[in-house]
Amino acid sequence: GAVVSQHPSRVICKSGTSVKIECRSLDFQATTMFWYRQFPKQSLMLMATSNEGSKATYEQGVEKDKFLINHASLTLSTLTVTSAHPEDSSFYICSADDRLLAGEETQYFGPGTRLLVL
Amino acid sequence: KQEVTQIPAALSVPEGENLVLNCSFTDSAIYNLQWFRQDPGKGLTSLLLIQSSQREQTSGRLNASLDKSSGRSTLYIAASQPGDSATYLCAVRLDYGQNFVFGPGTRLSVLP
Repeated sequence: GAVVSQHPSRVICKSGTSVKIECRSLDFQATTMFWYRQFPKQSLMLMATSNEGSKATYEQGVEKDKFLINHASLTLSTLTVTSAHPEDSSFYICSADDRLLAGEETQYFGPGTRLLVL
Repeated sequence: KQEVTQIPAALSVPEGENLVLNCSFTDSAIYNLQWFRQDPGKGLTSLLLIQSSQREQTSGRLNASLDKSSGRSTLYIAASQPGDSATYLCAVRLDYGQNFVFGPGTRLSVLP
């Protein structure tokens, strides 16, 4: 089946630094990728929708200048957390759509990236 | 705005029991519904995907049903095992090309 990878799987950084997380679709092209965030003991919440070649659409309450999303190719979307603070510590999960020839669509999830900001 | 709820929030059962996890969603106009499993500190494992036109899906000891008109889905786990202990998430897809909306999850603990 289709696979979505994320890199890194885990990152620890100092407060004030920037962290880049990559999301790749390994054997299919994804015109749309989604970024979710999961705080401890909570469920996944959509942060933004990333469309190849255009600006991302952010959910209400998500700062677009803090969480920079770039979807430069059909297989790669990146999320950069700028000037990270401890409250940004979370589990970040991406997903990507595989649009099949039959018109159906399946969304595959990456394994997640755990960010800890000290 | 679509909202997804799950009952119970947590469940602890002895090994071997059959159990039912419930999921409700407020807007019945969904594209599909998916059940996931999440182990502590890990990503999502897809369990069952039900398209909006389907009523149920089965995989091994798992059976998921969908009643779109009433905004409900149930996940049935037969003969539970300690290895089934995890958080189970229900999520609905709003439309083709759209994101999932997740429920808060049910934390399942199966005791040996």
